[in-house]
Amino acid sequence: KQEVTQIPAALSVPEGENLVLNCSFTDSAIYNLQWFRQDPGKGLTSLLLIQSSQREQTSGRLNASLDKSSGRSTLYIAASQPGDSATYLCAVLYGNNRLAFGKGNQVVVIP
Amino acid sequence: GAVVSQHPSWVICKSGTSVKIECRSLDFQATTMFWYRQFPKQSLMLMATSNEGSKATYEQGVEKDKFLINHASLTLSTLTVTSAHPEDSSFYICSARTGQGQETQYFGPGTRLLVL
Repeated sequence: KQEVTQIPAALSVPEGENLVLNCSFTDSAIYNLQWFRQDPGKGLTSLLLIQSSQREQTSGRLNASLDKSSGRSTLYIAASQPGDSATYLCAVLYGNNRLAFGKGNQVVVIP
Repeated sequence: GAVVSQHPSWVICKSGTSVKIECRSLDFQATTMFWYRQFPKQSLMLMATSNEGSKATYEQGVEKDKFLINHASLTLSTLTVTSAHPEDSSFYICSARTGQGQETQYFGPGTRLLVL
């Protein structure tokens, strides 16, 4: 079964600290992995997409790594800000063209 | 570019009525569209995949007669929740992609459905 797990489910950090969000997947036969941001009651905003042949992607304060062999990805958010408070979703595109989502990491950055 | 819209953004209806949700790709042609459902604090669950001009493929456990999907054009897909019940209350999100391969899916803003 193609499962995606995100740990921790929720976390709170003081402003300025770095955030580390973890995603694990059970089937390593992936095409790509994507991190999204979702604000309460809103749709998805794509943050970073890592192809299966890549090890990491960076955009501003965000860095996502991918270790396909161990079935893990990590999203780093440097110097967190209150505006980073949201739920972060990890999604894996598998060979059967299915996009499997984790339940998300709910983040609160405390001013 | 690659903008997907949904309408309405939220809807409240009485139990037993039907509700139609539209998903549009505004600046690209979407060969394939997807419908997801998200319950509170849960992940997005794929309900069905639709290719333009053909019948939708439903995931296991999703009733095709209850959730009618029409993908009549390359820019529009509709999801109709027939005879809605309170347990159908959820957040429905569509996505669209240009091909049938591993292209990126672009997500709509979602529709919040509340059935009283």
